Parts: sequence; C-alpha cells; structure tokens
Amino acid sequence: DIQMTQSPSSLSASVGDRVTISCRASQSISNYLNWYQQKPGKAPNLLIYGASTLQNGVPSRFSGSGTGTDFTLTISSLLPEDFATYYCQQSDSTPLTFGGGTKVEIK
Amino acid sequence: EVQLVQSGPEVKKPGQSLKISCKASGYSFTNYWIGWVRQMSGKGLEWMGIIFPSDSDARYSPSFQGQVTMSVDKSINTAYLQWRSLKASDTAMYFCVRQPGIAVESDFWGQGTLVTVSS
Repeated sequence: DIQMTQSPSSLSASVGDRVTISCRASQSISNYLNWYQQKPGKAPNLLIYGASTLQNGVPSRFSGSGTGTDFTLTISSLLPEDFATYYCQQSDSTPLTFGGGTKVEIK
Repeated sequence: EVQLVQSGPEVKKPGQSLKISCKASGYSFTNYWIGWVRQMSGKGLEWMGIIFPSDSDARYSPSFQGQVTMSVDKSINTAYLQWRSLKASDTAMYFCVRQPGIAVESDFWGQGTLVTVSS
C-alpha cells in the first residue's frame, strides 16, 4: 500500500493567515492526489482532485500543488469557516489511502 | 442534486450481524462506483473498498477483505455494507461515497452511519 504522510498534524492560525499543509507519498503517484476538508461531526468534503483542480463550488482561496511524492494544500487567507481537519488521499492505486490529517485550529 | 442518504445509527453486541445502507439519488446509480470509508472515533479515514452497481464488481482493501461484504440493489439505488459477526473493534463511523472510477476521488459523501458494538 502507498503510505501518505501529512505535516503538521495540527496547527494554530488566525483569520487572514496564509496556511500551508504538506502531504508526502511513499512512492510517486504522479498527480493522483486529492484533498478533503472535514468539520466536526460532518462527512468529509472534496476540495481538490488531481493535485490542483478545484472541485465545483470550492472557494478560490484554496489551492493545491505538487507532483510525484510531494504535495501542498494552501489556504491563501483563512476564514472562520476554514477551521477544520484536512486530509490528503492518493488515488494512484488501490487500496486508496489517506494521510493522517491536519487539524487547523484557531489561534 | 446528488445525494447519498445512509441508514441510522446502530448498537449491536459482539457476534451479531449487521447490514447498513446507502441510498443514492440525483444521478445514474449504475454509472458510478460506490465506496465505503471507515472512521474510528477521533481517528483518520480508511478506505474499505468499492463496488460497481451495474455488475456488482467489488474491490476490497486487503485490510477489510473477508471482514465485510459490499452489495447493491439496483432496483432501489441502494448500496449495502454487511458484517456477519461484529467485533468491538468494528465500532466506528462508516461513510458511503461516490467515485467516478476505481482509483479516483470521492466526489460525494453520505452523512455517515455510526456503528457501536458493545457487550
């Protein structure tokens, strides 16, 4: 199985901050990398697929980049509704695997 | 509007069987894979497997192969996840998801079904 490692596991940030979350794959996955946002008590929501393509309806302050083994999710200017846990997922091969998550908390 | 509506919470004893459901609407059920994702309390997401409703082709994660069974009923646009003999370690939230293909993103999620297994 492909292992996905996210960093940091948590971070504290303020409204308006630029936030960057990293995700590393244990082997090259080309651009088969997806990002999800999960709020407490809710199902995850797809933000980005194919490493950098924004899902319909996702605000443009979210962006994704990377290829191969190293990927980044960036929130350009944090809003109150962005405090949540973010997961990366590789879709290069089954079984699909997720990173451990990054919890974005209010500073 | 695409919707995946899951069955309600379940409380079961170890050794009991269980089948939870995921009813799809707002799209052609037989054209998309349905997957299942486990989330244990306070933990991350684990992909369990997917099934193609058109022909019931199922692919399981090795971690879940033999532990659960996925199935569908095309006549009512519903997918199922089943256990023959529950264990306490099956206690978790289970999400169904829609996937446009085998190895792609999950673009829609059900609201989740909480399964609690306790003696």
